[in-house]
Amino acid sequence: GESVGLHLPTLSVQEGDNSIINCAYSNSASDYFIWYKQESGKGPQFIIDIRSNMDKRQGQRVTVLLNKTVKHLSLQIAATQPGDSAVYFCAENIRGGYQKVTFGIGTKLQVIP
Amino acid sequence: DAGVTQSPTHLIKTRGQHVTLRCSPISGHKSVSWYQQVLGQGPQFIFQYYEKEERGRGNFPDRFSARQFPNYSSELNVNALLLGDSALYLCASSLAGATDTQYFGPGTRLTVL
Repeated sequence: GESVGLHLPTLSVQEGDNSIINCAYSNSASDYFIWYKQESGKGPQFIIDIRSNMDKRQGQRVTVLLNKTVKHLSLQIAATQPGDSAVYFCAENIRGGYQKVTFGIGTKLQVIP
Repeated sequence: DAGVTQSPTHLIKTRGQHVTLRCSPISGHKSVSWYQQVLGQGPQFIFQYYEKEERGRGNFPDRFSARQFPNYSSELNVNALLLGDSALYLCASSLAGATDTQYFGPGTRLTVL
């Protein structure tokens, strides 16, 4: 069935470098997309979202890019810090009058000090 | 301000038993959603409730049920537990709308023996 997936299960980056986490989706009916960060033993934490009528959105140290043509989105983290180490999920909110958020399997980001 | 709270934190049950998990949303939030997260995977949508009514249901058997109370707290019930029900059960609350940001609780870790 249609789902959100990630290209890389694990990403290792040097502290201070920029990180890019990619995600592919297949459901063109989605209203918007969300990135969550999940640390061990905790629930997912909202990072940033982007609506389907936007291409780019920036937050504090994070940028999300949406390419609807190829159904791809990415999360860029600037100046990656050890505290950024976690599993990152992209998720899509499927249009349907309620919040059926569909998550991918996640990418584990490891920051090397 | 308190975030989403869930109880209990951990729970161990045996096959065939039933379980009730509880969730209190962020103050002012009227919508509660439940997710199941199996180890190594992303959360899977189970239910969404808004104003005490079920708004959406994921692909889970009828053994899973939920309800929302007048104070917007919620319970998730699972009957006839199977080994495969072992997972982290996450509750998320949002204001109301289909694209309102969802905030997750820490989850309840259920182990079925």
